Amino acid sequence: DTAVSQTPKYLVTQMGNDKSIKCEQNLGHDTMYWYKQDSKKFLKIMFSYNNKELIINETVPNRFSPKSPDKAHLNLHINSLELGDSAVYFCASSQRQGAYEQYFGPGTRLTVT
Amino acid sequence: KQEVTQIPAALSVPEGENLVLNCSFTDSAIYNLQWFRQDPGKGLTSLLLIQSSQREQTSGRLNASLDKSSGRSTLYIAASQPGDSATYLCAVNWTPQVGANSKLTFGKGITLSVRP
Repeated sequence: DTAVSQTPKYLVTQMGNDKSIKCEQNLGHDTMYWYKQDSKKFLKIMFSYNNKELIINETVPNRFSPKSPDKAHLNLHINSLELGDSAVYFCASSQRQGAYEQYFGPGTRLTVT
Repeated sequence: KQEVTQIPAALSVPEGENLVLNCSFTDSAIYNLQWFRQDPGKGLTSLLLIQSSQREQTSGRLNASLDKSSGRSTLYIAASQPGDSATYLCAVNWTPQVGANSKLTFGKGITLSVRP
């Protein structure tokens, strides 16, 4: 199926640990994004990459480091996890940079204990 | 500041009712607006995308309209069904068609419950 996929779907870990979330899209899109949905269900952009190049970093702590090995993949690595990092993280993609329709993955629910 | 507001936060209607979900935004200079559906514990499904030059878009029982001058969009759902129960999110893109810093700004969503 053509889609945006994320792994893992659920991630439970302790404070201080380092973890990664992977995202892949097979839509042939140039641009990928990471969004965070907090406990109040509010969705906010974190990062945007275009052809493996960082375009947007919305004042996210530098404990969060996105990595794009190729334009079909955008992974999110989080160092020294904190309780406040608990949220659902969504990956998305669009055909290219700019005001194009965005397609979202199923989300990764991160719980930090 | 560019913000998107959706009121009310929740809505409960009987099956079969036609309903309207509202979305308002500051700064009328939008490039497009996208409506999403989110089921509990699931990702976002794109329902409709309206470009700034368009007044409305239709898909099946869904119709989304856009009035830039008043800073409003509405999602009309005809003959609602229990399967329509979900959270509906409105998201605005204020960035140009080509360029950097393209991002969606989301409203907090409207949780719809359609009673059988």
